[in-house]
Amino acid sequence: GNSVTQMEGPVTLSEEAFLTINCTYTATGYPSLFWYVQYPGEGLQLLLKATKADDKGSNKGFEATYRKETTSFHLEKGSVQVSDSAVYFCALDMDSNYQLIWGAGTKLIIKP
Amino acid sequence: DGGITQSPKYLFRKEGQNVTLSCEQNLNHDAMYWYRQDPGQGLRLIYYSQIVNDFQKGDIAEGYSVSREKKESFPLTVTSAQKNPTAFYLCATSVGYEQYFGPGTRLTVT
Repeated sequence: GNSVTQMEGPVTLSEEAFLTINCTYTATGYPSLFWYVQYPGEGLQLLLKATKADDKGSNKGFEATYRKETTSFHLEKGSVQVSDSAVYFCALDMDSNYQLIWGAGTKLIIKP
Repeated sequence: DGGITQSPKYLFRKEGQNVTLSCEQNLNHDAMYWYRQDPGQGLRLIYYSQIVNDFQKGDIAEGYSVSREKKESFPLTVTSAQKNPTAFYLCATSVGYEQYFGPGTRLTVT
């Protein structure tokens, strides 16, 4: 079946470090891919998305490229800030039935 | 302001009691969802509704019930049959494939 696998956290970095959070997926067709972010005590919000292969989603300095050949959608940011501390979820939408398939989430901790 | 309201933010109940979590939206979205989130885990879908007066079970519907009598409202009842009800509950709506989330309700059952 369809699934999403994220790297386990927590990921702990110093401020201004480079960030990569890995996400790979298994899907029988051509999903749309998403990264959502959850700040402490809050609901999730969409961070970025990509709907077809080779698309790059970007927002707030974060980027992710839809790589069909490696079935990956890794999240990157060049210089993280303390305010980026949150849980990041990778998700896919298959068949446009509006039911997202979620990764387990990766907690990111940024130290000053 | 358009958005999704979940109330209350924290809810405490004794074991054996049913409890209803509120979710209201003024985004005019047709689809609504309830998720459960446990510490260190991803989101698990409890129920979803794509239109008024219709809803479907998600992956972990046992011990929960919902209603969708109005487009704006999708309340979730956690019944006494739910074995481990303590969790963070998130309501969401969607338009297309983008989901919008409420702030969540943290339910503690003792």
